[in-house]
Amino acid sequence: DVKVTQSSRYLVKRTGEKVFLECVQDMDHENMFWYRQDPGLGLRLIYFSYDVKMKEKGDIPEGYSVSREKKERFSLILESASTNQTSMYLCASSLGWVAGVYNEQFFGPGTRLTVL
Amino acid sequence: AQTVTQSQPEMSVQEAETVTLSCTYDTSESDYYLFWYKQPPSRQMILVIRQEAYKQQNATENRFSVNFQKAAKSFSLKISDSQLGDAAMYFCAYRGANTGNQFYFGTGTSLTVIP
Repeated sequence: DVKVTQSSRYLVKRTGEKVFLECVQDMDHENMFWYRQDPGLGLRLIYFSYDVKMKEKGDIPEGYSVSREKKERFSLILESASTNQTSMYLCASSLGWVAGVYNEQFFGPGTRLTVL
Repeated sequence: AQTVTQSQPEMSVQEAETVTLSCTYDTSESDYYLFWYKQPPSRQMILVIRQEAYKQQNATENRFSVNFQKAAKSFSLKISDSQLGDAAMYFCAYRGANTGNQFYFGTGTSLTVIP
């Protein structure tokens, strides 16, 4: 079974702190994703990566950066946390697109971040 | 960008009854996948069922089935014999060949199961 793990389930930080959220997958997936989940807004894509050291901005990249130095690990960085970044953060991974092959995403358990 | 719409923010169903969650999507692609994900309260998002666009037959997984209407761009989820454990947020998602690395999600439907 694919396993996607995230470094913390709950995290409390102060405004202005630098925050690192780590995600690791164990199935050699090419793609990794960071989403933010807020009530009524569904999942909003922050960044995704389709290969080591490659990244693409999603719908809401402002205030975030990412790092993918190894294929299995994808980090989300909040350079200077703000209260409006209080949210649930979900990491996911998937294979690259292959026609005729199941292409779903696999999700981590999520990190609930509170910025005070 | 593709759009996925779930027009029912909340639904409820009596235990053992059947409920249908709606999803519509907008695309000009012919090759794509559709998914329903389930997120129980405080638990991990998991895949419920998936459908390939080129398959006319509707996918089924035990008590879960879909009604895939390609021309209407509709992809509803039917849950039969609802159980208390079905209570969750359900998300519809799209992945297309031309936008192969991205997934597009609806805003979710919160399902309550009434004992």
